[in-house]
Amino acid sequence: DGGITQSPKYLFRKEGQNVTLSCEQNLNHDAMYWYRQDPGQGLRLIYYSQIVNDFQKGDIAEGYSVSREKKESFPLTVTSAQKNPTAFYLCASSGDRAIPNQPQHFGDGTRLSIL
Amino acid sequence: QQPVQSPQAVILREGEDAVINCSSSKALYSVHWYRQKHGEAPVFLMILLKGGEQKGHDKISASFNEKKQQSSLYLTASQLSYSGTYFCGGGDGGATNKLIFGTGTLLAVQP
Repeated sequence: DGGITQSPKYLFRKEGQNVTLSCEQNLNHDAMYWYRQDPGQGLRLIYYSQIVNDFQKGDIAEGYSVSREKKESFPLTVTSAQKNPTAFYLCASSGDRAIPNQPQHFGDGTRLSIL
Repeated sequence: QQPVQSPQAVILREGEDAVINCSSSKALYSVHWYRQKHGEAPVFLMILLKGGEQKGHDKISASFNEKKQQSSLYLTASQLSYSGTYFCGGGDGGATNKLIFGTGTLLAVQP
């Protein structure tokens, strides 16, 4: 079955540590996105990528970094510069970038907590 | 700025109806609606592409007033499975499929 796989489901970070969240899709989608969701709040865009080797900052990119070396993969690194990283992180993808208004498909998320 | 949804939360009995509103201060070129169960991924419900467009499936429908930059989601004869948080996502009409998601509405359907 096609879909988006995020791993791990739960992740703990120590102070001063960088951690990387994995996102893989086998939908052959062009675009991929990372969102942060805080309790009781909506989804805020961290980074997005429309094509391999290209990505753009979203609304809350500070303290995060991404790469898009393969179409299927869009890992997110939460750096030590992100002072409040505890949140639910969601990865999404959408189809042909030449066609507007494509729906986004989401992974099951990674819950990141600080030790 | 993200679209504002109202109400923030609503509690229903099975069989009752509900309306969730999404209002944007920026121009909306499309509106996407998603439902998220607690701790799970948001699930796509529908897209409205044109002002005045209405869509629906099963007993969930939506409308889009482009001039007012508003969209409404209508849930008719609610079922327990409708419980969750509903988000609208506004498309900016640009070259990307980027969305700005709304503040969310928590819907709880009780037996």
